[in-house]
This record gives sequence, structure tokens and C-alpha cells, in this order.
Amino acid sequence: DIQMTQSPSSLSASVGDRVTITCRTSQSISRYLNWYQQRAGKAPKLLIYGASTLQSGVPSRFSGSGSGTDFTLTISSLQPEDFAIYYCQQSYSTPWTFGQGTKVEIK
Amino acid sequence: QVTLKESGPALVKPTQTLTLTCTVSGFSLSTSGMRLNWIRQPPGKALEWLARIDWDDDKFYSTSLETRLTISKDTSKNQVVLSMTNMDPVDTATYYCARIPTGSSGYYYFDYWGQGTLVTVSS
Repeated sequence: DIQMTQSPSSLSASVGDRVTITCRTSQSISRYLNWYQQRAGKAPKLLIYGASTLQSGVPSRFSGSGSGTDFTLTISSLQPEDFAIYYCQQSYSTPWTFGQGTKVEIK
Repeated sequence: QVTLKESGPALVKPTQTLTLTCTVSGFSLSTSGMRLNWIRQPPGKALEWLARIDWDDDKFYSTSLETRLTISKDTSKNQVVLSMTNMDPVDTATYYCARIPTGSSGYYYFDYWGQGTLVTVSS
């Protein structure tokens, strides 16, 4: 199984801050990397697929980059509704696997 | 409008078999390229992919759980069913069904999710 490692596990930031979350995989997955946001008590929501393609309806302050084993999710200007947990997920090969999550908290 | 809704028991006893149903609307399970998945999340923990069934009835399972899982679908009822045998308290989690859309360009992302159903395993 492909192992996913996200960093940091949590971070504190203020509204307006630029936030970067990293996801590293145990083997190369090309660009088969997706990002999800999960607000408290809710189902995950797709943000980005194929490492950098923004899902329809997702604000442009979210962006993704990377390929191979190293990927990044960036929020250019953090908004109040962005405080949540973020997960990466590889779809290169089954069994598909998720990162352990990064909790973005209010500073 | 695409919707997915999970249903099943909220409480099961250890060693019992869990059966969950995902009822979908707004799309057809038989459409070429459609794939339906089950994913779970223990309280306060990360997401774990469990199983997938495709429009052509191909099936895929989590490596660690494949001996306990069975996924099936009833296209006429717009339902996908997951069975998990020999339930244990560590299987306590919210169970989600999630769709991979047709035309996902091979990236296999989950674009629609159900609200999830919490299953507690306890005697």
C-alpha cells in the first residue's frame, strides 16, 4: 500500500494568512493526488484533483502543486470558513490511501 | 441533483455482520465509468478507503480488510451494499459512501459524498 504523510499535523493561522500543507507519498504517484476539506461534523469536500485542478465551485484561493512524491496545498488568504481538517488522497493505485490530516485552527 | 445517503444499524455487537446501504439519486450506477466507494472514519481519526464497485461490477477492496468485506450493487434500486463480517469495537466509525464520476480523466476523485452514518460496535 502507498503510505501518505502530511505535514504539519496541525497549524494555527490568522484570517488573511497564507497557509501551505504538504503531502508526501512512499512511492511516485505522478499527479494522482487529490485534496479534501472536512469541516467539523461534515463529510469531506473535494477541493483539488489531479494535483492541481480546482474542483468546480471551489474558491481560487485554493491551489495545488507537485508531482511524483511531493505535493502541496496552498490557501493564499485564509478565510474564516477555511478552518477545517485537510486530507490528501492518492488515486494512483488501489488500495487508495489518505493522509492523516492537517488541522487548520484559528490563531 | 446528485445525492447519496447511507443507511444501516447504528449499533452492532462484536462478531456480528454489518450491512450498510448507499442509496443514490441523480445518476445511474450503470453509466459507463461510474464508480461507487465506501470510506470510513473512526471518531477523531483519519479517513480510510474500504471498497469500490464499478459500473461493470468490477470490485476492489482494502488490503487489510478484504477478507471481511463484500460490496455489491442493485442497479434497479440505485443501491450499493457493503457487508463487513466479524465486527469489532475498533470498527466503530462513521461510514461514508462516495462517488467517482464518469469522465474523471483517470484521477479517480470522490466528488460527491453521503452524509455518513455512525456505526458503534459494542456489546
